[in-house]
Amino acid sequence: DQQVKQNSPSLSVQEGRISILNCDYTNSMFDYFLWYKKYPAEGPTFLISISSIKDKNEDGRFTVFLNKSAKHLSLHIVPSQPGDSAVYFCAAEGFTFGNEKLTFGTGTRLTIIP
Amino acid sequence: DTGVSQDPRHKITKRGQNVTFRCDPISEHNRLYWYRQTLGQGPEFLTYFQNEAQLEKSRLLSDRFSAERPKGSFSTLEIQRTEQGDSAMYLCASSQQGENSPLHFGNGTRLTVT
Repeated sequence: DQQVKQNSPSLSVQEGRISILNCDYTNSMFDYFLWYKKYPAEGPTFLISISSIKDKNEDGRFTVFLNKSAKHLSLHIVPSQPGDSAVYFCAAEGFTFGNEKLTFGTGTRLTIIP
Repeated sequence: DTGVSQDPRHKITKRGQNVTFRCDPISEHNRLYWYRQTLGQGPEFLTYFQNEAQLEKSRLLSDRFSAERPKGSFSTLEIQRTEQGDSAMYLCASSQQGENSPLHFGNGTRLTVT
């Protein structure tokens, strides 16, 4: 039972353009969502998060949008840079409901084309 | 803050042998998590500690797996009688207890069981 889904295994984007990574979840008790970035041979690195009480959170080139009614979130990267090439994982937890462990999606490999 | 440290980085073992991995979390973090990641998948939760108490274990953690955090600082994960299906990346992460505290991951231990 995959509670967090990333349906696009890979995405290629031209440098300077916008990258949009998508994530869907099924568990309505998730109330905190995060994006992690992973380079080869390294552990995942925290990128940005959003609480369920918000619908948008921005940090520099990175913006996360949350649509609770659709159980969908997305990560926008603009402008995309070559260093953004990595695997991106969406993750969720339900802190308010005592679920304090992260459930991860399967990841999307983003490739930025120079 | 030197980050989360894991040792060894790589471990190759024969089926049936026991292996032990070590994780040193960020010093001020009181929570420590173990995850497992296989090819093409996101990290999957195994277990977590708050200080020295093991608060939750996944059903993925069979009887052959045991984790400890004896003094609330470093943690060990032992796998007894390894099987080929145990081959994976074992990730450790730490965080501060509290709402919306992201996990900080180490670079993992890659286990290969031959």
